[in-house]
Amino acid sequence: SAVISQKPSRDICQRGTSLTIQCQVDSQVTMMFWYRQQPGQSLTLIATANQGSEATYESGFVIDKFPISRPNLTFSTLTVSNMSPEDSSIYLCSAEGQGLYGYTFGSGTRLTVV
Amino acid sequence: DAKTTQPPSMDCAEGRAANLPCNHSTISGNEYVYWYRQIHSQGPQYIIHGLKNNETNEMASLIITEDRKSSTLILPHATLRDTAVYYCIVRPSTGTASKLTFGTGTRLQVTL
Repeated sequence: SAVISQKPSRDICQRGTSLTIQCQVDSQVTMMFWYRQQPGQSLTLIATANQGSEATYESGFVIDKFPISRPNLTFSTLTVSNMSPEDSSIYLCSAEGQGLYGYTFGSGTRLTVV
Repeated sequence: DAKTTQPPSMDCAEGRAANLPCNHSTISGNEYVYWYRQIHSQGPQYIIHGLKNNETNEMASLIITEDRKSSTLILPHATLRDTAVYYCIVRPSTGTASKLTFGTGTRLQVTL
């Protein structure tokens, strides 16, 4: 299955600033996704990163707050914009695995906003 | 996607089998049952998946009832390293609807 490198692994940011998280896959994949995991909670899908077109956002998430890029089949970025303490979460990238073998996840970016 | 229901937590003694149940009574004919687990501070890890037949791999076995309305993940000899949150997910095999939607999962605690 695909191997995902995600960086940074963690960061502490000032409120009002933005952070861009990078996700690199070691093989070309069709579908990439971004998730948020708030403390003690399950994973919530933010959006599907589409190659060559705008990302598809889930209810409650908007492009102005979470702009996503997908310039090619192996790379995507998620930006958390104008951060507030409520944005403190783990952000995870996921990519489609081979065949029916599910999705692979990055190790996540632990974001703390102060 | 079909909704799944799992117990919030379970305990298991090390070396014993861990049987994790999942209800998915609204599953559609084209939806697979997937199991993932998330060990603390890591991304979710794929375990196993199935459509209607029982499946086994090096990590676990998946037993799906004949009516496909429920399933059980079996870890045959649980170890302390199996302590994690286990997620049961149903989704179509392909297409734009095949995103993964996570429920609350079952927190499995393996003890000595």
